[in-house]
Amino acid sequence: KAGVTQTPRYLIKTRGQQVTLSCSPISGHRSVSWYQQTPGQGLQFLFEYFSETQRNKGNFPGRFSGRQFSNSRSEMNVSTLELGDSALYLCASSTRGSTDTQYFGPGTRLTVL
Amino acid sequence: AQSVTQLGSHVSVSEGALVLLRCNYSSSVPPYLFWYVQYPNQGLQLLLKYTSAATLVKGINGFEAEFKKSETSFHLTKPSAHMSDAAEYFCAVSESKAGNMLTFGGGTRLMVKP
Repeated sequence: KAGVTQTPRYLIKTRGQQVTLSCSPISGHRSVSWYQQTPGQGLQFLFEYFSETQRNKGNFPGRFSGRQFSNSRSEMNVSTLELGDSALYLCASSTRGSTDTQYFGPGTRLTVL
Repeated sequence: AQSVTQLGSHVSVSEGALVLLRCNYSSSVPPYLFWYVQYPNQGLQLLLKYTSAATLVKGINGFEAEFKKSETSFHLTKPSAHMSDAAEYFCAVSESKAGNMLTFGGGTRLMVKP
């Protein structure tokens, strides 16, 4: 079974630009969560989508947004990029069942110059 | 609100020695606790999770962790370190068994000396 895939794996943008990251969950998984990992703040929850609806949201500004499509693939968008948005963005998928486990993708490394 | 504290951002052990990575949590509800490992340039891999069944949880690669409510701890151990265990380890807490909306600790980088 294929794992969680994230594209692109690496991305370089400049301040003020916007970026879209993509996550394809494991087949059959309908929940997709996004996390930001930085050296200073560590791993922080961004948001979770299930059945095309945002179910939970972390403490991030409105510049961070996401969506989920009917095939469970998810995208996250960051507008008006700031230097502090440089991070590894991780996506995780699960069935959201009570005994299930989240499986993480390899991440997208975003560098903002 | 939930929080996780991992004592020691760096831990160094010799190959064959005991591995002990410390994790303390704070939660206003019965917690579900997780340990993840991250190898360089990779995502997170689940080692084990506590979901209110047995307090001693066995995971992959010979790791185990014991949930101690009185100490609000969930320390990770492995009897004998292997070079391949060198990685960063994260303790996390969630209000759901599936581990959605994880709150992570700051991580502990484990170094294994030959």
